[in-house]
Amino acid sequence: DIVMTQTPLSLSVTPGQPASISCKSSQSLLHSDGKTYLYWYLQKPGQSPQLLIYEVSSRFSGVPDRFSGSGSGTDFTLKISRVEAEDVGVYYCMQGKHSITFGQGTRLEIK
Amino acid sequence: QVQLVQSGAEVKKPGASVMVSCKASGYTFTSYDINWVRQATGQGLEWMGWMNPNSGNTGYAQKFQGRVTMTRNTSISTAYMELSSLRSEDTAVYYCARESTVTTQGFDPWGQGTLVTVSS
Repeated sequence: DIVMTQTPLSLSVTPGQPASISCKSSQSLLHSDGKTYLYWYLQKPGQSPQLLIYEVSSRFSGVPDRFSGSGSGTDFTLKISRVEAEDVGVYYCMQGKHSITFGQGTRLEIK
Repeated sequence: QVQLVQSGAEVKKPGASVMVSCKASGYTFTSYDINWVRQATGQGLEWMGWMNPNSGNTGYAQKFQGRVTMTRNTSISTAYMELSSLRSEDTAVYYCARESTVTTQGFDPWGQGTLVTVSS
């Protein structure tokens, strides 16, 4: 299985400040079809996960533009340009190149 | 609107089986794959497998091979996940999630989750 490793596992951010989460995969997520199957989800407290970013950098419908994804190969990053209170929750990266595996999750809290 | 509504919480004894249902509405049920993901209390997300509601084809995570069965009833737009030989470690919230419209491996929407408790 492809192992997904997120850092940090938790972060505390002042509203209006940026936040960044790293996700590293144990092997390249670049598929032979040219796509890179790396996704980001947010699970808000008491809710089901929701899709934020697909294929590394494409924002899903309705996702605010303060969220952005970047990276390639095995190293990926989710950035929030200005954290808001509603961004609290656990962020997961997920790979879909070979089977599906999730990172351990990164808990974001507001200072 | 597009939604997935799951069946209610279950309590099972070790060794028993559980079946969780996931009723789809707001779209053509047979057009998008359904995936199942579970989450133990306070833990991360674990993918279990997928099913194509049109063909009935399935693909299971290696960990669950032999213990999980995913089926569907297209007449009522409902997907099912059955997990057998339950043990305490299977206590978790089980989610169904649909393949999104823009990317095959992204999941949207998700069901509300079904808590399965395995306890003697």
